[in-house]
Amino acid sequence: KNQVEQSPQSLIILEGKNCTLQCNYTVSPFSNLRWYKQDTGRGPVSLTIMTFSENTKSNGRYTATLDADTKQSSLHITASQLSDSASYICVVSSYNTDKLIFGTGTRLQVFP
Amino acid sequence: GAVVSQHPSWVICKSGTSVKIECRSLDFQATTMFWYRQFPKQSLMLMATSNEGSKATYEQGVEKDKFLINHASLTLSTLTVTSAHPEDSSFYICSATRLAESTDTQYFGPGTRLTVL
Repeated sequence: KNQVEQSPQSLIILEGKNCTLQCNYTVSPFSNLRWYKQDTGRGPVSLTIMTFSENTKSNGRYTATLDADTKQSSLHITASQLSDSASYICVVSSYNTDKLIFGTGTRLQVFP
Repeated sequence: GAVVSQHPSWVICKSGTSVKIECRSLDFQATTMFWYRQFPKQSLMLMATSNEGSKATYEQGVEKDKFLINHASLTLSTLTVTSAHPEDSSFYICSATRLAESTDTQYFGPGTRLTVL
């Protein structure tokens, strides 16, 4: 069964600190993996996309990694800002379905 | 580019009434549009997939007579929640895919918060 699991479920950090969010998936055949940021009451916005052959992808202070062998991905946020407070969703695509497979998300709160 | 809008952004209605939510691709033609529902602290759940000019494909457990989807043009899809009840209160998000891109590249709208009293 295609599944995407994320941890932790929620995370609180202080402004300026770094954090890492985890994503494990059991999707096969794997096509690509995306990280989205979803602000409260808003739609998801894409941060990064990685295919099978890519190990790391950066977007400003966001750096995603992918280990296709262990089927794990992480999203590292550097020097967090208050505006980083949001839910971060890991989404995996498979070649044999049009549907996106969503993780349950990690809710990040950044406090001053 | 690839901006998707939704209208309204929030709506409150009485139980038993119908509510229409619009999803528009503002700067591109959308071959396929998706409708998702999101309950608090949960991830997005796909409700249906629609292609312009054809009937929507609904996910298992989603009542097609209750959630009417019309995809009349390459830039507009509508979701009508008929005879809404409090349990239909949720955050509804649409997404769209562009011509010449794969369907896993979806551009999401900002969502519509529906509250049924």
